[in-house]
Amino acid sequence: DAGVTQSPTHLIKTRGQQVTLRCSPKSGHDTVSWYQQALGQGPQFIFQYYEEEERQRGNFPDRFSGHQFPNYSSELNVNALLLGDSALYLCASSLPSGYEQFFGPGTRLTVL
Amino acid sequence: AQSVTQLGSHVSVSEGALVLLRCNYSSSVPPYLFWYVQYPNQGLQLLLKYTTGATLVKGINGFEAEFKKSETSFHLTKPSAHMSDAAEYFCAVSEVGSNDYKLSFGAGTTVTVRA
Repeated sequence: DAGVTQSPTHLIKTRGQQVTLRCSPKSGHDTVSWYQQALGQGPQFIFQYYEEEERQRGNFPDRFSGHQFPNYSSELNVNALLLGDSALYLCASSLPSGYEQFFGPGTRLTVL
Repeated sequence: AQSVTQLGSHVSVSEGALVLLRCNYSSSVPPYLFWYVQYPNQGLQLLLKYTTGATLVKGINGFEAEFKKSETSFHLTKPSAHMSDAAEYFCAVSEVGSNDYKLSFGAGTTVTVRA
């Protein structure tokens, strides 16, 4: 049973660029959440997608956007990258109740 | 709004000694509670969770936690530390019975194990 997968593993971008991160949920899960984990901090909730719609959003600017596809996979897009966007981006999948979330290995984004 | 406080950003224990990681939460109703472990350069792995029922919860790798409503706490323990327990540990909460689906995490506690 494949768990949550994310790509790429690492990414280096420069300020002002745009980036797309990808996530495939655990088999049987249809809900995907994204979290940002800055160095030395706990993960912070960005948003959650269910039925191809953004169901809930955390306190992140509009530069952060996402998408969910009919196969439940998801993308996180970040525009106009800032140095402060450097972090580990974690994807988590769950059933619609959402309370138990399974995490992927993350994508390490470095903005120079 | 929920919040989580983990007391102690770093804990150092000897191999074979008790591991105790503290977590207190703030929530209008008793939430669902979780402990996750994160090894270097990896994602989060669920150690254990409390939803309803027995307040003493057993998880993987010999860890357990007890939900104490009166103290709004969910402390994590392991009787005997192993070198492989060196990692970062996060306490998280999720609100029950609302349209709030997110996990709210504490800042984490880094555990080092001395030989």
